[in-house]
Amino acid sequence: QVQLVESGGGLVKPGGSLRLSCAASGFTFSDSYMSWVRQAPGKGLEWLSYISGSGITIFYADSVTGRFTISRDNARNTLFLQMNSLRAEDTAVYYCAKEHSDYYNIRSFDYWGQGTLVTVSS
Amino acid sequence: DIQMTQSPSSLSASVGDRVIITCRASQSIGKYLNWYQQKPGKAPKLLISAASTLQSGVPSGFSGSGSETDFTLTISNLQPEDYATYYCQQTYSIPRTFGQGTKVEIK
Repeated sequence: QVQLVESGGGLVKPGGSLRLSCAASGFTFSDSYMSWVRQAPGKGLEWLSYISGSGITIFYADSVTGRFTISRDNARNTLFLQMNSLRAEDTAVYYCAKEHSDYYNIRSFDYWGQGTLVTVSS
Repeated sequence: DIQMTQSPSSLSASVGDRVIITCRASQSIGKYLNWYQQKPGKAPKLLISAASTLQSGVPSGFSGSGSETDFTLTISNLQPEDYATYYCQQTYSIPRTFGQGTKVEIK
């Protein structure tokens, strides 16, 4: 069965860095687009970034462009999110999600990890 | 960016009620619209993709409809396990924006 397991969250000071990982299993990872989504405490969902299966196509939300970098290691079935210059407003639970494309190429996020909490505070 | 606006932001309903949640896109998105359910402390779960395709394992009491800018999620015969927050999401363009969520509470 499909499993996505995030790790790497924790407490970091403003201006600091953190690298999140998402270990994938149960599907052909290298064929799948993957996304990162976050949720600040008590707030809604915010899409951050996606990466194509090959790693060639990457997009970011404006809120993280220039500070966050998405990458993947298909040999290790692992997705990453390098987060630099962290701010208090980056405090959130970070989820990785697998993207699914249907016959009409309409995408959805069909599997999600359990999330990892990032707290940015001095 | 495409803005997704859900209404209402919250609602109270009783077991057995029919609940309708609407989602409006700021521009036409065809059927590039998904619905997710999220329970407290848990990851979101995909309920409906492409506006109306019910995911495997999702109870038939859930249904989605709409296209272009106006979409609805209907829960017929609300069950205790359906109390949750529901989000719409467009995947027509980048960024893949979500609605602000609709919290369904027990009346």
